[in-house]
Amino acid sequence: DAGVTQSPTHLIKTRGQQVTLRCSPKSGHDTVSWYQQALGQGPQFIFQYYEEEERQRGNFPDRFSGHQFPNYSSELNVNALLLGDSALYLCASSLAMSEGAGTQYFGPGTRLLVL
Amino acid sequence: AQTVTQSQPEMSVQEAETVTLSCTYDTSESDYYLFWYKQPPSRQMILVIRQEAYKQQNATENRFSVNFQKAAKSFSLKISDSQLGDAAMYFCAYRSAFTGNQFYFGTGTSLTVIP
Repeated sequence: DAGVTQSPTHLIKTRGQQVTLRCSPKSGHDTVSWYQQALGQGPQFIFQYYEEEERQRGNFPDRFSGHQFPNYSSELNVNALLLGDSALYLCASSLAMSEGAGTQYFGPGTRLLVL
Repeated sequence: AQTVTQSQPEMSVQEAETVTLSCTYDTSESDYYLFWYKQPPSRQMILVIRQEAYKQQNATENRFSVNFQKAAKSFSLKISDSQLGDAAMYFCAYRSAFTGNQFYFGTGTSLTVIP
């Protein structure tokens, strides 16, 4: 059973550039959430995609955008990168119509460094 | 927004001993879900245990159990017979049953297991 996968594992960019991160959900899942985890902090919710639409958004600027494809995979795009965008970006998948907790399963993350 | 507080940035335990990690949360909602995730140095977040707020019985998964005190808004994790592989960051997380699928995370507790 394939778990959540993310690519790339590491990325180095310079200020002002744009970056795209990719995520494939766990087999059978249809919902993808993205989180930003700064060093020494807990993950912060960016947004969630379901049925190719942004379903919910956290307190992140419009520079952060996303997309979900018909196969449920997802991309996170960040424009006009700032030094403060350096973080571990986590993707989590879940099943929208699951009973109970709607547990999210996480990928290994993409470490983004902005210089 | 809901807040999750983990007041112990670091904890240590002797191998084979028991340790309890604390978590409190702030919410006005009556139904929600609580989770403990483990993030080893390899950085992939792994679900440890989850609890539905409407269930009075504390959840248990092998050596891991929780002490859920709804009135006190407390959700501690007990690890019995600690093993070297338990060393990791542990995050407590909250999800509303009503207002969406966003997970709110605490700042984490770094657990060291001493041989």
